[in-house]
Amino acid sequence: EAQVTQNPRYLITVTGKKLTVTCSQNMNHEYMSWYRQDPGLGLRQIYYSMNVEVTDKGDVPEGYKVSRKEKRNFPLILESPSPNQTSLYFCASSSGTYNEQFFGPGTRLTVL
Amino acid sequence: DQQVKQNSPSLSVQEGRISILNCDYTNSMFDYFLWYKKYPAEGPTFLISISSIKDKNEDGRFTVFLNKSAKHLSLHIVPSQPGDSAVYFCAAPSNSGYALNFGKGTSLLVTP
Repeated sequence: EAQVTQNPRYLITVTGKKLTVTCSQNMNHEYMSWYRQDPGLGLRQIYYSMNVEVTDKGDVPEGYKVSRKEKRNFPLILESPSPNQTSLYFCASSSGTYNEQFFGPGTRLTVL
Repeated sequence: DQQVKQNSPSLSVQEGRISILNCDYTNSMFDYFLWYKKYPAEGPTFLISISSIKDKNEDGRFTVFLNKSAKHLSLHIVPSQPGDSAVYFCAAPSNSGYALNFGKGTSLLVTP
């Protein structure tokens, strides 16, 4: 089954404790992206990757890092999480931004 | 500054009637638009798209209209069903083709 998986689905952590949210897709897509969804702000793009080892900043990259060492994986790293990073995070993949994006189920992160 | 705007946070429609969701954009270089639908606790799913070379695209009960001169597009759902109750996001790829700009979303409620 074609899918995007994210782990964990729920995470409560404390300020400053490094965390990684994993994202994996099995559709051999070149394009992957991370978004955060906040009330009243909709979906905002954090980082995207056009292919292995090629990444770029989206609208709200501050406080986040990403890496794309393999085509299927695109982890989101929060080196020192802060409460303003409490949000619902989605990973997505597609064969290009002009093509349908397949979204993961989301990761709800709470930073205390 | 947000380049894709959905100015109606919510919309309530009776079952069987038409739902019209609106989206405005500021960048005249945008040449492709996508609509996504999101249910609670799930990732967004692709609904329908339109290229700027068209002014209408239809898929079953869903039709998207594009008015380039007004930088406006709308999604029509006819007839609306209770299962259509969800948040709808309008999106447009950036000029580079790699970033994706989302609107803030419109929450549609279809009542029986």
